[in-house]
Amino acid sequence: GQQVMQIPQYQHVQEGEDFTTYCNSSTTLSNIQWYKQRPGGHPVFLIQLVKSGEVKKQKRLTFQFGEAKKNSSLHITATQTTDVGTYFCAGRRLNRDDKIIFGKGTRLHILP
Amino acid sequence: DGGITQSPKYLFRKEGQNVTLSCEQNLNHDAMYWYRQDPGQGLRLIYYSQIVNDFQKGDIAEGYSVSREKKESFPLTVTSAQKNPTAFYLCATRPRSVGDYGYTFGSGTRLTVV
Repeated sequence: GQQVMQIPQYQHVQEGEDFTTYCNSSTTLSNIQWYKQRPGGHPVFLIQLVKSGEVKKQKRLTFQFGEAKKNSSLHITATQTTDVGTYFCAGRRLNRDDKIIFGKGTRLHILP
Repeated sequence: DGGITQSPKYLFRKEGQNVTLSCEQNLNHDAMYWYRQDPGQGLRLIYYSQIVNDFQKGDIAEGYSVSREKKESFPLTVTSAQKNPTAFYLCATRPRSVGDYGYTFGSGTRLTVV
């Protein structure tokens, strides 16, 4: 079945350093969503990308959707302690609006 | 406040018992979902429902059952047939219409088999 692979599984960065997580699908996606889950919390929707090559920014976060709509990335500039958590991508298959497939997430840990 | 209420927050079950996890929403969302989260496994879909009185199996439905008698409610029963039920269970909703809508998650129920 379709898989959404996410790397790395864990990332430790010094506060102030940049961070990137990558998401790759085995098939073309209609759109991709990103979520953040704080330790002990629940996933919170961040953004959805729909168009090929789309780039969206939210303050220090930059989201990209690949030209082939099979991969995506989330880049955080100058990480802060509030960025700690697990970041999940979730892809929706073409012509399948009913559900999305989650990646396993990247857990970000910030070193002071 | 609009949102999703999951209860209880923590639940302990003896082996061989069925337990029901509650999910109630007042967002007026059509679609509701149940996910299971294990460490390092991400979120795996158990069941989902797009309209009242209809639901579909997800990727790991064995040992679970659901009902959708009301738009606001989508309870999940973990039966004794589920061999490894200890996990974090998350309920989610979204509007049925296509658009820039992400899923809204409840705060989850942590189930432990003792």
